[in-house]
Amino acid sequence: QVQLVQSGAEVKKPGASVKVSCKASGYTFTNYAIHWVRQAPGQRLEWMGWINAGKGDTKYSQNFQGRVIITRDTSASTGYMELSSLTSEDTAVYYCARSPNIPSPSDWFDPWGQGTLVTVSS
Amino acid sequence: QSALTQPRSVSGSPGQSVTISCTGTSSDVGGYNYVAWYQQHPGKAPRLMIYDVTKRPSGLPDRFSGSKSGNTASLTISGLQAEDEADYYCCSYAGSYTFLFGGGTKLTVL
Repeated sequence: QVQLVQSGAEVKKPGASVKVSCKASGYTFTNYAIHWVRQAPGQRLEWMGWINAGKGDTKYSQNFQGRVIITRDTSASTGYMELSSLTSEDTAVYYCARSPNIPSPSDWFDPWGQGTLVTVSS
Repeated sequence: QSALTQPRSVSGSPGQSVTISCTGTSSDVGGYNYVAWYQQHPGKAPRLMIYDVTKRPSGLPDRFSGSKSGNTASLTISGLQAEDEADYYCCSYAGSYTFLFGGGTKLTVL
């Protein structure tokens, strides 16, 4: 079955960077996009960006432009999201999710990874 | 970008129907037929419930339905069940291959 498994929880200091991984299985990795979505404690879902796992092109939310880099390793069927210059406001659960095909306006997100808690604290 | 506007909470008794609204602008909800809805239980990852405004993933009960009028999309849940109690989020295409979520709605089954 299609599955996304994310890396474990992280604790980072303000100003540091974090890199979260998302390993895909059960489908041809390069035929789809991977999206990243985060959720601060008690807050709403917030879309961060996507990567076309085949071509490697990316698109980021303006809210994270310049601070986020999304990459992938096709040989490992794994996507990555790296967020830099962390502050306490970046404390959140970070999710990866698959699109129904290559990136398009009609994208929806299914399935989702289990989420990775990133805590930013001095 | 601001979040799409959803009511903070709705409630209904078992067996009843509830509707959750999601209001945006002509640049997102109103401009495209690309609205999805997600259900999220506490401590869990979101689950896709509706996509392309009205379509249900295979295996999802037809108690869940979606619609759109102008800049407002809606999710209707009929025949409420206890397990429907969760947070619900809408998400719309917002142009330039970007996406925008709503603020979320907490559904309470009384």
